[in-house]
Amino acid sequence: AQSVTQLDSQVPVFEEAPVELRCNYSSSVSVYLFWYVQYPNQGLQLLLKYLSGSTLVKGINGFEAEFNKSQTSFHLRKPSVHISDTAEYFCAVSEETSGSRLTFGEGTQLTVNP
Amino acid sequence: NAGVMQNPRHLVRRRGQEARLRCSPMKGHSHVYWYRQLPEEGLKFMVYLQKENIIDESGMPKERFSAEFPKEGPSILRIQQVVRGDSAAYFCASSPPIFKETQYFGPGTRLLVL
Repeated sequence: AQSVTQLDSQVPVFEEAPVELRCNYSSSVSVYLFWYVQYPNQGLQLLLKYLSGSTLVKGINGFEAEFNKSQTSFHLRKPSVHISDTAEYFCAVSEETSGSRLTFGEGTQLTVNP
Repeated sequence: NAGVMQNPRHLVRRRGQEARLRCSPMKGHSHVYWYRQLPEEGLKFMVYLQKENIIDESGMPKERFSAEFPKEGPSILRIQQVVRGDSAAYFCASSPPIFKETQYFGPGTRLLVL
């Protein structure tokens, strides 16, 4: 069964600083990987996804992530954050062989300070 | 193109009552998923349905919880005899028949059991 670990529960940064949110997964089969963002009292919005192909994936709002199979990681990055990026970020994985259900990490709260 | 719709957005029930949560998938989507988010936790998969079929209910509690996705109308998540531990945000997601790896989430229903 797959599992997802988000290594940091809270990440405080200053505006315009770079940020990396870490995600590691565990699976014995091929996976699809996702990052979602959740603003307070709202649903989840898809930031980006890796299904196949290039390991560097670009998403919305200037975010990107890199799939590293050997390290089983899918870290999310942004070179310069804005106050509006303050939100909860969730990494998720689904396995090719187990249907479409997503397994989520516990989330990382990104707080951007002025 | 309307997104995934859920209603009600907020639901208050007393212990022992029934809760019915509704989800209308995006147009053209025939796959529906339900997830539960307990306070301060990530989302946990509950059930995956297609029209008139339950595909995967491995995340559903064995008692009091049921889900359906009829031929016509929204998907329903039903919780009978609610208890305080059922208080959570319940999210519905939908995906198209072909690229079912990518799920689009609704705004959620926040259930509070008094």
